[in-house]
Amino acid sequence: DIQMTQSPSSLSASVGDRVTITCRASQSISAYLNWYQQKPGKAPDLLIYVVSSLQTGVPSRFSGSGSGTDFTLTISNLQPEDFATYYCQQSYSTPWTFGQGTKVEIK
Amino acid sequence: EVQLVESGGGLVKPGGSLRIACAASGFTFSSHSMNWVRQAPGKGLEWVSYISSSSDFIYYTDSVRGRFTISRDNAKNSVILQMSSLRAEDTAVYYCVRDTAGGSGQFDYWGQGTRVTVSS
Repeated sequence: DIQMTQSPSSLSASVGDRVTITCRASQSISAYLNWYQQKPGKAPDLLIYVVSSLQTGVPSRFSGSGSGTDFTLTISNLQPEDFATYYCQQSYSTPWTFGQGTKVEIK
Repeated sequence: EVQLVESGGGLVKPGGSLRIACAASGFTFSSHSMNWVRQAPGKGLEWVSYISSSSDFIYYTDSVRGRFTISRDNAKNSVILQMSSLRAEDTAVYYCVRDTAGGSGQFDYWGQGTRVTVSS
């Protein structure tokens, strides 16, 4: 199975900050990397697919980059509604696996 | 509007069985693969099972293979997860999730989840 490791596990940031979350795969997954946002008590939402493609309706302050084994989610100009937990997920091969999550909290 | 509505969750004893269902609407159900993804209390996300649009391809994560069975009824726009030999570690919220495209592994719509608790 492909292991996905996110860092950090949590971070504190202020509104307006630029936030970067990294995700590392245990083997190359080419560009088959997706990001999800989950708010407390809610189902996850797809934010970004295949590394850098924004899902419809996702604000342009979200961006993704990377290839192979190392990937990044960047949120520029952090907004109050962005405080949530973010998960990366590989769709290269089954079992599709998720990172452990990164909780973005208000400083 | 795409809607996925899960039902059937509840409390079940270890070793017991439970059937959870997902009713889909707002899209051409027969054109999309479907998945179940679960989340244990306070934990992360775990993909559980996949079924292709015409049920030709079915996959499971190792921990549930042989105990869980996924199926679908395209005439009723529904997907089922039949769970047996349940264990405490199966306790989770189970989400019904649409695959963006056949076997892509990208999950673009999620239901609200149904809670399954395995406890004596």
